[in-house]
Order: sequence, then structure tokens, then C-alpha cells
Amino acid sequence: GQNIDQPTEMTATEGAIVQINCTYQTSGFNGLFWYQQHAGEAPTFLSYNVLDGLEEKGRFSSFLSRSKGYSYLLLKELQMKDSASYLCAVRSSNDYKLSFGAGTTVTVRA
Amino acid sequence: DSGVTQTPKHLITATGQRVTLRCSPRSGDLSVYWYQQSLDQGLQFLIHYYNGEERAKGNILERFSAQQFPDLHSELNLSSLELGDSALYFCASSPLGTGVTGQYFGPGTRLTVT
Repeated sequence: GQNIDQPTEMTATEGAIVQINCTYQTSGFNGLFWYQQHAGEAPTFLSYNVLDGLEEKGRFSSFLSRSKGYSYLLLKELQMKDSASYLCAVRSSNDYKLSFGAGTTVTVRA
Repeated sequence: DSGVTQTPKHLITATGQRVTLRCSPRSGDLSVYWYQQSLDQGLQFLIHYYNGEERAKGNILERFSAQQFPDLHSELNLSSLELGDSALYFCASSPLGTGVTGQYFGPGTRLTVT
């Protein structure tokens, strides 16, 4: 099974940078995903890591260390619209099932 | 728009009743996943179907069942409903391996049990 931990809440100022950490324990790893979810809406895909290192996509970057069971999502130049829940999800190598963390609610303040 | 459709958007029903939620995956996707999201539980995996066959089960109650039809749409049946079943139910689809984009989520069905 999977055990995924991420902080419950984070607050940051518009224009700043926020780093959301995710640690996981898994019996079979086949990739780590980050999703953004606005309240009452569907999760939308942000990033994917399967090898160690940093993946950059515009203002968002994601890092993975498989040996440490650790990932982070970095949000730069924060905008008000980035206020949302950010979900870390680990994919199983056995059945391609995604197991989600409880999510980190990011609040961006002016 | 993810390309995944779900109906209905909202559903209000009474305890003890039975409802059916419907999902149509993205064109070409053979896998369908069902998730339940309640305020105190986060996003919980229920069940995964691939090309009509059940592939994986999560914490799905015995009162819940699902199936995937030959045209690849899927239905989630919830019976003997309880107040605690009130939640957002999401369907997601992907090719089997999910590639580098994970799963595409539909807009969800909000179920309220009164």
C-alpha cells in the first residue's frame, strides 16, 4: 500500500514562492504526480516525475528523490488564482492505481 | 475540459435509496477509475476498470458496485445510501499506463443524502 504525507495548509504572499513537500512510502513505485484542485472542482494535472530530479513547467516545478521517498512542488511568482488544494499522488507499479495524499491548501494573500 | 463527462452533476436523495452515477471516458481511453471525495477523507480510490474488466479495488463498500460497458462508459451504483455517503464522486480515465499525464478527471457528481 501507499502512505503519503503532505502539510495541511500553507499561506504565502502574491509574487512569492511556496514549496509543498510530500513524503511517501510505497510497495511499488511507478511515478509521482501533482494535481491542483480548486474547491468543488475536478483535480487537474500539474506535473509528473518518475526519475530523480527536477521537472520545470513554467511557474511550477516538481522534484523527486526516490531513495528518500520525497517530492516537492515549487510554485513561483504566486498569483491569487493559485489559491487551491495541491494533491500529491503516487502511482502503483502493480495496478497503475493512484493513491492521493490528503492535499495541501495553499492560500495566496495580496 | 478534460474530455471526461459525468452525469448527473448533482444528486439529492434520501437514506436507503439507490443511485447510479455515469461516466464517459476520454476518447481512446480504456481505463476508468472511480474516486470518492468527502470533506474529512480526501480523495479515496474506489475501483478501476480496464476495457470492461475490473483491475483494482480500493476501499469500496459492499453497498457500492461498478461496471464498465463495451462502449467503455462506466456506471457506479450506490445502494442503501447512508448520510455518510454524501460526497463528490469523481470518475477519471487514462490509457492503461497513464503515461506522463496521469489520469484525466471528470467534473464530478455531488451526491447529497438527506
